[in-house]
Amino acid sequence: AQSVTQPDIHITVSEGASLELRCNYSYGATPYLFWYVQSPGQGLQLLLKYFSGDTLVQGIKGFEAEFKRSQSSFNLRKPSVHWSDAAEYFCAVVYTSGTYKYIFGTGTRLKVLA
Amino acid sequence: DGGITQSPKYLFRKEGQNVTLSCEQNLNHDAMYWYRQDPGQGLRLIYYSQIVNDFQKGDIAEGYSVSREKKESFPLTVTSAQKNPTAFYLCASSIDPTNEQFFGPGTRLTVL
Repeated sequence: AQSVTQPDIHITVSEGASLELRCNYSYGATPYLFWYVQSPGQGLQLLLKYFSGDTLVQGIKGFEAEFKRSQSSFNLRKPSVHWSDAAEYFCAVVYTSGTYKYIFGTGTRLKVLA
Repeated sequence: DGGITQSPKYLFRKEGQNVTLSCEQNLNHDAMYWYRQDPGQGLRLIYYSQIVNDFQKGDIAEGYSVSREKKESFPLTVTSAQKNPTAFYLCASSIDPTNEQFFGPGTRLTVL
């Protein structure tokens, strides 16, 4: 079945430390891949997306993500976390064979320690 | 400014009442979506519409209904048949089903 997994429910990092949030997807064909961020009580905002081409994608707010086909992964990274990055992060995939189904992961909640 | 709006931000309903959540977009997007968000469960798709006058059930459509009479509007009705309606509801739109979704600020529904 088509699915996307975010293995970490909660992550805590210190301000200034590096960050990596994991995302794995199922299925053999390369889907379209997205990362979104959600602040408490608000809607989601797109951080970055991957359709094809360069496997290292730059996004807003200093985030980047790398698509690794061999690992079926699309992990989100940031070299130095700021306190304002505390939020919930969602990975999403769209499988483009057959019907276009948009699937969101269950999210990773990031806490940043001062 | 182009964007997507939801109203109201907070909504309280008595058991047995139907309630309608508003979603409007001026992005000229064809596709619109309704999601329900509960703690620890991510986003679950209720209904989606790829074009005016057409919509399809998502994963958790029971107890909900929608209409898409205008391109910019996609209201969601939470009926009394929905057993556990207290949740955060998010509306989104996209230019096509494979692309970025733009989200509204959400409506928090509480059943008293």
